Amino acid sequence: EVQLVESGGGLVQPGGSLRLSCAASAFTFSSYSMNWVRQAPGKGLEWVSYISTSSSTIYYADSVKGRFTISRDNAKNSLYLQMNSLRAEDTAVYYCARDGSSWTSSTPGRIYYFDYWGQGTLVTVSS
Amino acid sequence: DIQMTQSPSSLSASVGDRVSITCRASQSISSYLNWYQQIPGKAPKLLIYAASSLQSGVPLRFRGSGSGTDFTLTISSLQPEDFATYYCQQSFSTPRTFGQGTNVDIK
Repeated sequence: EVQLVESGGGLVQPGGSLRLSCAASAFTFSSYSMNWVRQAPGKGLEWVSYISTSSSTIYYADSVKGRFTISRDNAKNSLYLQMNSLRAEDTAVYYCARDGSSWTSSTPGRIYYFDYWGQGTLVTVSS
Repeated sequence: DIQMTQSPSSLSASVGDRVSITCRASQSISSYLNWYQQIPGKAPKLLIYAASSLQSGVPLRFRGSGSGTDFTLTISSLQPEDFATYYCQQSFSTPRTFGQGTNVDIK
């Protein structure tokens, strides 16, 4: 069974740094693009960052660009999120999510979706 | 960025009810629309992709429809395990944006 397990969350002061990890198992990690998605307490879902299989393509939400860095180690089946210059508004549960995809008759190209999610790790930014 | 707007933001329903949730995109996204279910304290779960394709293992009472800018998630007969928050999400372009969510609770 596909499993994604996040770790590294915790309490950090504003301006501080934290590194999240996501350990993947039961699938060929190197064949899938990966994402980080976050959810502030009592709020909705916000996509944070994307990384392709070979790390050649990376995207960030504007809200974290220049402060967060996504990376992966295919040999270790692991995904990472380095978070610097943290702000109170970064407080959230952070999920790693696998990028599934399909060809369908209803879309002209391949459609991408978050088909497996970890259980999340809570990051709290507060003094 | 493409904005996704869901309605209603919340609804109350009974077991056995037919429930519909609407999602509107700020521009045409063809059928690049996915639906997720989130039970409190749990990670989101993919229900439907490409507007109307049911993810493996998802019950047939869940149905998605629509294309362009207007989409609907319908639950034909609400079950106790369906009380949750539902999110639409577009994958037409980056950033992949979510709707604000629709909370379905017990009447």
